[in-house]
Amino acid sequence: KQEVTQIPAALSVPEGENLVLNCSFTDSAIYNLQWFRQDPGKGLTSLLLIQSSQREQTSGRLNASLDKSSGRSTLYIAASQPGDSATYLCAVSGTYKYIFGTGTRLKVLA
Amino acid sequence: GAVVSQHPSWVICKSGTSVKIECRSLDFQATTMFWYRQFPKQSLMLMATSNEGSKATYEQGVEKDKFLINHASLTLSTLTVTSAHPEDSSFYICSATPRSMNTEAFFGQGTRLTVV
Repeated sequence: KQEVTQIPAALSVPEGENLVLNCSFTDSAIYNLQWFRQDPGKGLTSLLLIQSSQREQTSGRLNASLDKSSGRSTLYIAASQPGDSATYLCAVSGTYKYIFGTGTRLKVLA
Repeated sequence: GAVVSQHPSWVICKSGTSVKIECRSLDFQATTMFWYRQFPKQSLMLMATSNEGSKATYEQGVEKDKFLINHASLTLSTLTVTSAHPEDSSFYICSATPRSMNTEAFFGQGTRLTVV
């Protein structure tokens, strides 16, 4: 059974800091890994998708890496801003399911 | 990217009534759709996998008679919460993937259900 864990569960940083969010999964047989952002009471916003054959993806200040063999992914956020405050979720897709991680609640202080 | 439309975005209903939530893929065909439930400050928990033309596959602990899923076409799946109770109040989100599972999943906007 696939289990997806995110560390840390919560993070509070001052504005301007670079930060790393971690995602680990137990079954390396995945098709892809996706990072999402969720604002309170809202739906999901897709940030980055990494297919299993890829090592990383970049979009603006965001960079996500994937090490499938070790079951890990990281989301790097450069020069954090208060607008980055949200919950960040990673999700992995397998043969029949799309499983979400436990989430990291990020707060960037002005 | 592709669009998945979920309706309604919020609903309030009385205990004992049933509520239907629709999930539509607007510009692609989705052989598989997923339904998730999210409690406050928790992650999304997969409830069931809906495959077009066949019965849904429910995750352990999810009552299939309580949460009826119908995937009648390649663009529409519905979740009906039957005989709703206050403990069913939650945020429900659907997602859909194009025919191949190794492509990106697209998510609806979510439905906030409140049972009073």
